[in-house]
Amino acid sequence: DAGVTQSPTHLIKTRGQQVTLRCSPKSGHDTVSWYQQALGQGPQFIFQYYEEEERQRGNFPDRFSGHQFPNYSSELNVNALLLGDSALYLCASSSRDRGATFGSGTRLTVV
Amino acid sequence: AQTVTQSQPEMSVQEAETVTLSCTYDTSESDYYLFWYKQPPSRQMILVIRQEAYKQQNATENRFSVNFQKAAKSFSLKISDSQLGDAAMYFCAYRSRINDMRFGAGTRLTVKP
Repeated sequence: DAGVTQSPTHLIKTRGQQVTLRCSPKSGHDTVSWYQQALGQGPQFIFQYYEEEERQRGNFPDRFSGHQFPNYSSELNVNALLLGDSALYLCASSSRDRGATFGSGTRLTVV
Repeated sequence: AQTVTQSQPEMSVQEAETVTLSCTYDTSESDYYLFWYKQPPSRQMILVIRQEAYKQQNATENRFSVNFQKAAKSFSLKISDSQLGDAAMYFCAYRSRINDMRFGAGTRLTVKP
């Protein structure tokens, strides 16, 4: 049973560019959440998708957007990248009230 | 707003001994869940233990147990018989039906052989 899969594992982008990160949830999970984890800090909630709609959103600017597809997979898009967007981006999937299963993350470096 | 506080940035324990990691949280909600996650250098967050707020009995998973004090809004993790593989960052997290997971800043646990 595959867990949560994220791609790519590492990414280097230039300031001002746009990036798309991808996440495939664990089999049987229908909810996907995205988190940003800066170095040495705990993950910060970006947003959550359920039934292809954004259900909750954390305190992140509109430059951060997402999408969920009918197969429950999800994308995180970040526009106009800033140096401060450099972080580990974690995807987590869940179903109902169970604890979330996390992927190994995408390490984004903005130069 | 819900906040999660881990007051111990770093902890150290001797192999085979017991260590307790602290966590406090702030919420006005009555129905929520609390978690401890482990994050080794591989980066993947691994669920260690889960507690439903409505349950008075403390959760236990093998060597891992919690001390859940709802009135004090405290949720500590006890690791018994510590092993070298327990070394990692540990995050306390809170989630409710209407709010997604909120994490503390983490505690780095070192296990000394």
